[in-house]
Amino acid sequence: AQSVAQPEDQVNVAEGNPLTVKCTYSVSGNPYLFWYVQYPNRGLQFLLKYITGDNLVKGSYGFEAEFNKSQTSFHLKKPSALVSDSALYFCAVRDPHASGGSYIPTFGRGTSLIVHP
Amino acid sequence: GAGVSQSPSNKVTEKGKDVELRCDPISGHTALYWYRQRLGQGLEFLIYFQGNSAPDKSGLPSDRFSAERTGESVSTLTIQRTQQEDSAVYLCASRPAPGQGAFSSGNTIYFGEGSWLTVV
Repeated sequence: AQSVAQPEDQVNVAEGNPLTVKCTYSVSGNPYLFWYVQYPNRGLQFLLKYITGDNLVKGSYGFEAEFNKSQTSFHLKKPSALVSDSALYFCAVRDPHASGGSYIPTFGRGTSLIVHP
Repeated sequence: GAGVSQSPSNKVTEKGKDVELRCDPISGHTALYWYRQRLGQGLEFLIYFQGNSAPDKSGLPSDRFSAERTGESVSTLTIQRTQQEDSAVYLCASRPAPGQGAFSSGNTIYFGEGSWLTVV
């Protein structure tokens, strides 16, 4: 079975400071990992994904995420936060080796990022 | 179209009525998903369609919920005899066909703006 956890309901950071939104996962093999962002009253927008290769993945809006297999983590990072980054962030995992070749990703509960001016 | 299109964007209905929510996937996408997001909650998987294969209905919460999709086109999610706990955002997503290699866009799903359902 695949699962994902976002241990923080909310992250607060001052504008200009680096930000980290945490995500840990559980799958039987090598995971496919995704980050999405949801702005108020909108759908989810794809930010970035890790499939294989370089552990540091770069995505939209200056975000990046680091895959750490030993810690089963895929934390989202940005070197300098903007007020406009304030939104809900979702981590998702899919196990490509699941029985039957499941293409259904499991999403975390979401982390609310608040960037203060 | 350029993205996943959902309608209606907002729906207020009385308890006990039936509602239909529509999803128009990105052209050429073979897979389609429905998820539910209750206020302040994460995403709850409902149903998955892949081409002409039998859908994965494992996430439907009760027999009041059903969904259809004809081929690789529009999907309709139907909720019968709505209850107040059905109030949520219903999100549709679509995905391209699995491509060659791990980096193909077939791994990424793309969401619509959602249908906001309120049952009063």
